[in-house]
Amino acid sequence: GNSVTQMEGPVTLSEEAFLTINCTYTATGYPSLFWYVQYPGEGLQLLLKATKADDKGSNKGFEATYRKETTSFHLEKGSVQVSDSAVYFCALSDRRDSSYKLIFGSGTRLLVRP
Amino acid sequence: DSGVTQTPKHLITATGQRVTLRCSPRSGDLSVYWYQQSLDQGLQFLIQYYNGEERAKGNILERFSAQQFPDLHSELNLSSLELGDSALYFCASSVTVSGNTIYFGEGSWLTVV
Repeated sequence: GNSVTQMEGPVTLSEEAFLTINCTYTATGYPSLFWYVQYPGEGLQLLLKATKADDKGSNKGFEATYRKETTSFHLEKGSVQVSDSAVYFCALSDRRDSSYKLIFGSGTRLLVRP
Repeated sequence: DSGVTQTPKHLITATGQRVTLRCSPRSGDLSVYWYQQSLDQGLQFLIQYYNGEERAKGNILERFSAQQFPDLHSELNLSSLELGDSALYFCASSVTVSGNTIYFGEGSWLTVV
């Protein structure tokens, strides 16, 4: 079945460092891909998405490119801030018949130190 | 603010009890989803409703049930609660049954003691 694999955390970086969080997927068909973020004590927020191969999603300085050839959707940011500390979830859409859901990876915790 | 409203935000209850979690989707969204987030299982899809009809079922226990009402709000009923049911329960919504973007509420924290 469809699945998402994320790099294990925690990822600890200093402020202004470059961030990469790896995400690979297994899917039949052509899913949409998403990154969601969960700040401490809060719910899930959509960070960015891409709906087809080679699309680049971007938001708040974060970017991810839908790579069909490598089945990847790695999250990157050029310069992280302390306020980016959160758990990041990669997800893909699973569309079957008349149903739809998101399948999530296990999440990667990011800790940014001043 | 995603526009998805969940109540209660926090709930503590005893084993064997029953609770109901409530969700109001974003205005105009017809599809509602329930997810469970626990430390050992991660984010697990429970169930999807679209305009009052069940459309997909995931890893939802028989002790759990859900429904979506004509006004599109949804309730998740958890009964015969066990310690392992302690988790954060998310409701989410999207415009259509295959809505590309799903918006999540802030979740209901359930602690079973």
